[in-house]
Amino acid sequence: DGGITQSPKYLFRKEGQNVTLSCEQNLNHDAMYWYRQDPGQGLRLIYYSQIVNDFQKGDIAEGYSVSREKKESFPLTVTSAQKNPTAFYLCASRGSLEKLFFGSGTQLSVL
Amino acid sequence: QKEVEQDPGPLSVPEGAIVSLNCTYSNSAFQYFMWYRQYSRKGPELLMYTYSSGNKEDGRFTAQVDKSSKYISLFIRDSQPSDSATYLCAPGDNQGGKLIFGQGTELSVKP
Repeated sequence: DGGITQSPKYLFRKEGQNVTLSCEQNLNHDAMYWYRQDPGQGLRLIYYSQIVNDFQKGDIAEGYSVSREKKESFPLTVTSAQKNPTAFYLCASRGSLEKLFFGSGTQLSVL
Repeated sequence: QKEVEQDPGPLSVPEGAIVSLNCTYSNSAFQYFMWYRQYSRKGPELLMYTYSSGNKEDGRFTAQVDKSSKYISLFIRDSQPSDSATYLCAPGDNQGGKLIFGQGTELSVKP
């Protein structure tokens, strides 16, 4: 089945720890995105990548880092510099006509 | 001024009611207008896609775009409990790059 796979579904971070969220797609899309969603709020863009080996900061990039070494993969690292990391994280890829396809999300919580 | 503003809700209606969900936007470069539906703790899924001003109907759903006033709406007829979800508007341009979402309207349809 074609789609976006995010893992893990739930993740816990200890203070001072970096954690990495995985995002894999087999839709052959060039562009991929990471969004953060807080309760009762919309989606805020963290980082996006339009092509392999290139990515741009979104609106709330501080405390996060990404890489795009392969077309299929766009992992997000939440660093210890992100002081309020508890949120629902969504990865997406963009198909034709700007349509986004989302993964099922990762809920990150702080221990 | 935010690029996209959406009526925040939450909105609670009885089954069978007509629902109107609304967004305004500020960027006249937007040419595509999408509505995404998000069930609790799931990734958003594309519900409606329109291009240019006018109406588009798909079953019980109608998307309406008024470019002159920068106003987009989603109407749901004969609403069902299964329509209970958060609805996100998302306009886009054809330049690629980052996409902007409204903050979402949480809808609850009571049996």
